[in-house]
Amino acid sequence: QSALTQPASVSGSPGQSITISCTGTSTDVGGYNYVSWYQQHPGKAPKLMIYDVTNRPSGVSNRFSGSKSGNTASLAISGLQAEDEADYYCSSYSSSITVIFGGGTKLTVL
Amino acid sequence: QITLKESGPTLVKPTQTLTLTCTFSGFSLSTSEVGVGWIRQPPGKALEWLGLIYWDDNKRYSRSLKSRLTITKDTSKSQVVLTMTNMGPVDTATYYCAHRRPDSSWFRYYFDYWGQGTLVTVSS
Repeated sequence: QSALTQPASVSGSPGQSITISCTGTSTDVGGYNYVSWYQQHPGKAPKLMIYDVTNRPSGVSNRFSGSKSGNTASLAISGLQAEDEADYYCSSYSSSITVIFGGGTKLTVL
Repeated sequence: QITLKESGPTLVKPTQTLTLTCTFSGFSLSTSEVGVGWIRQPPGKALEWLGLIYWDDNKRYSRSLKSRLTITKDTSKSQVVLTMTNMGPVDTATYYCAHRRPDSSWFRYYFDYWGQGTLVTVSS
């Protein structure tokens, strides 16, 4: 497996909530609670938003939350704001290749 | 305050070896549980993890690129060096170095500080 599976794009209006899924296998997402999410604005470096499936680093808005069920992890964003428009990547520990990223999801705030 | 910055050539020819240096501040690579990783991103594409070096000089590499990668550190200079051999056009990407969030677990690879990235183009 070369990458975790994410939807190419999602969209929502300001104030709404959206969810981005990240599907892997039992050797990565499903086998470990070591999932993280990164936000990347155009031309910028990624920013860690969620780690250990559900934890937020200091300074990250509580509008961002993570969860996992089976082989699929999810990132939820509530109260969408224009500044949330970015690319989002999930990542997981993998027993086969150590670290695996998702293909990325472009979030558009309408 | 933790900062990292990548430096190296912006253009390499096919078959050449790429050497990138990550110069950091705000932490020491001699401190337990600290690590520095390398991640790349081809233009318009997804992130790809390359490898990581720990404070104790242990290293982890991407399985698919392991034969081409070497990561070393110079603690006294606060630098980490990535070497990638036999470069090809598919290796054209922005290369990032990043600080691994300190953790005693070998399974947690969370990067909480990133460099600005450096675009490396492979072309003759």
